Amino acid sequence: GQNIDQPTEMTATEGAIVQINCTYQTSGFNGLFWYQQHAGEAPTFLSYNVLDGLEEKGRFSSFLSRSKGYSYLLLKELQMKDSASYLCAVKDSNYQLIWGAGTKLIIKP
Amino acid sequence: IAGITQAPTSQILAAGRRMTLRCTQDMRHNAMYWYRQDLGLGLRLIHYSNTAGTTGKGEVPDGYSVSRANTDDFPLTLASAVPSQTSVYFCASSDGVAGGPDTQYFGPGTRLTVL
Repeated sequence: GQNIDQPTEMTATEGAIVQINCTYQTSGFNGLFWYQQHAGEAPTFLSYNVLDGLEEKGRFSSFLSRSKGYSYLLLKELQMKDSASYLCAVKDSNYQLIWGAGTKLIIKP
Repeated sequence: IAGITQAPTSQILAAGRRMTLRCTQDMRHNAMYWYRQDLGLGLRLIHYSNTAGTTGKGEVPDGYSVSRANTDDFPLTLASAVPSQTSVYFCASSDGVAGGPDTQYFGPGTRLTVL
């Protein structure tokens, strides 16, 4: 079967750095996405990786290793507004997105 | 530009009733999707449409139907609601262009409770 694994919950301190990991086993790979979802709101797109390596976008970076079936989302200079769930999703061989259950990130002052 | 809108925002429904969730996008995206999101689970695809006039089944299609009469609208119908269909429903759309990321953009969601 297809599977996306990410930690259920993480806690970090305002101003610090946090890394959220995602491992996947899917039938085929056509890209990996990270979304942010605040409580009670819709998921919003953060990043897309299709080639190995690091993609940087402001305070957020996303890394991909296709050979290891692994990605991480790195958040720097954490702010209270970064408290949210972070969803990892992989596009499989049928070009359908397979979603992880999400990582709830709690930021403490 | 509104992006994607969904209606209603929330609804409480008696079991056995018929319900249509509405979704409209103004981005001229080819592809549209319906997901449900339940606590502790990832988003699960119910139905999708790659272009107007075509639809396909996702991971959890039973009890749901969709239509895609035009590019903008993609309604989801529950013919006879059951309590297990209590969930938050998200509609999404993407440009559907091959070779690109085909990023999905989400509507605000409909919170449905079936009693």
